[in-house]
Amino acid sequence: QKEVEQDPGPLSVPEGAIVSLNCTYSNSAFQYFMWYRQYSRKGPELLMYTYSSGNKEDGRFTAQVDKSSKYISLFIRDSQPSDSATYLCAMRSNQFYFGTGTSLTVIP
Amino acid sequence: GAVVSQHPSWVICKSGTSVKIECRSLDFQATTMFWYRQFPKQSLMLMATSNEGSKATYEQGVEKDKFLINHASLTLSTLTVTSAHPEDSSFYICSARQDNPSPLHFGNGTRLTVT
Repeated sequence: QKEVEQDPGPLSVPEGAIVSLNCTYSNSAFQYFMWYRQYSRKGPELLMYTYSSGNKEDGRFTAQVDKSSKYISLFIRDSQPSDSATYLCAMRSNQFYFGTGTSLTVIP
Repeated sequence: GAVVSQHPSWVICKSGTSVKIECRSLDFQATTMFWYRQFPKQSLMLMATSNEGSKATYEQGVEKDKFLINHASLTLSTLTVTSAHPEDSSFYICSARQDNPSPLHFGNGTRLTVT
């Protein structure tokens, strides 16, 4: 079983839709959770960084962590074509673990 | 803040030559830097972890004599791909962490093509 599971998609939504991206994990030692956005041929860009269960909001982005279910989510409200990218979840205990990424396309 | 600069962004080299990739933390001191390799439609594969002033720790299966890592200062780490072969063609990405438990900040990657 992989440490981190993420549906690779691809996911295609119309502009303005709410996007939900998810990851599950198996290691209960994970304490810090991150979401990165990666445009084609670029490095990952940190979007959200959370610790412990609960929600964290930053503009149109909301990160949600449910440690009891070992499940994290990233919600994007009012999605824009510029949100089209691959989204990577990441988490850490004593080292970092990454999901495979979900490819998102927002259609104008 | 937390900007990581990686150079070059792309490089083409001939088989048998060496290529050096630089990774700099521009506005923070990075106690730890990480080097990743990414294949198309796959996640990041950790190659090695480097701490300033000490030898890098390589992941299993990564040849340390082929992928030389130097972390000479708190703002600079370099990866040298020695005697490059076509199978070394890939997207290499560095990342840096200011301290524990800060998140990782990534450079923009280097696309290496070995002909």
